[in-house]
Amino acid sequence: QVQLVESGGDVVQPGRSLRLSCTVSGITFSSYGMHWVRQAPGKGLEWVAVISYDGSKIYYAESVKGRFTISRDNSKNTLYLQMNSLRVEDTAVYYCANSGYYNFLSANDYWGQGTLVTVSS
Amino acid sequence: DIVLTQSPGTLSLSPGERATLSCRASQSVDSSYLAWYQQKLGQAPRLLIYGASSRTTGIPGRFSGSGSGTDFTLTVSSLEPEDFAVYYCQLYGSSLTFGGGTKVES
Repeated sequence: QVQLVESGGDVVQPGRSLRLSCTVSGITFSSYGMHWVRQAPGKGLEWVAVISYDGSKIYYAESVKGRFTISRDNSKNTLYLQMNSLRVEDTAVYYCANSGYYNFLSANDYWGQGTLVTVSS
Repeated sequence: DIVLTQSPGTLSLSPGERATLSCRASQSVDSSYLAWYQQKLGQAPRLLIYGASSRTTGIPGRFSGSGSGTDFTLTVSSLEPEDFAVYYCQLYGSSLTFGGGTKVES
């Protein structure tokens, strides 16, 4: 059974930092690219970032470029999202989801349950 | 950047009725990378269709996808009570592009 479990969501003030984690089991984590996707309250889905299976390729949405950093530790089966200079508009549920097997050419079969980040003064 | 526009925004139907959801791309896309998701309140999205028309494992046959170029459709042939949800189309690859969603309500 495949499980993706996000953690690290919290209430933080604008300008502060937060790190999210996504621990994966049930698949060979080191063989899959991974995405972060977010959803603001009552809104649609927004892609945040993707990392290749080995961490060599990384891409970001323009809205987070320069502030967020995606990374992974394949020895711990864990994906991370370091979020700096947080803004009110970053308030959302953050999901991790799989990408492709040794590539990015796959839809998102597996999703975590999400972790809520609230940015508020 | 490619924009995906879904219509209608809300679809009001009854159980047993047919639902037809539209997803239009701002330019022609490779249908191999077009997916549909279902999301219920408080839950993560669930993959229904990939490659525009392939159902993922465990998805009932009443869900079907079609289309090419700029116009794609998700059809639910006969709505079950559990099908009332929000549906998103998506382009996938080294980034993800989502449509704005269609809410199917009773």
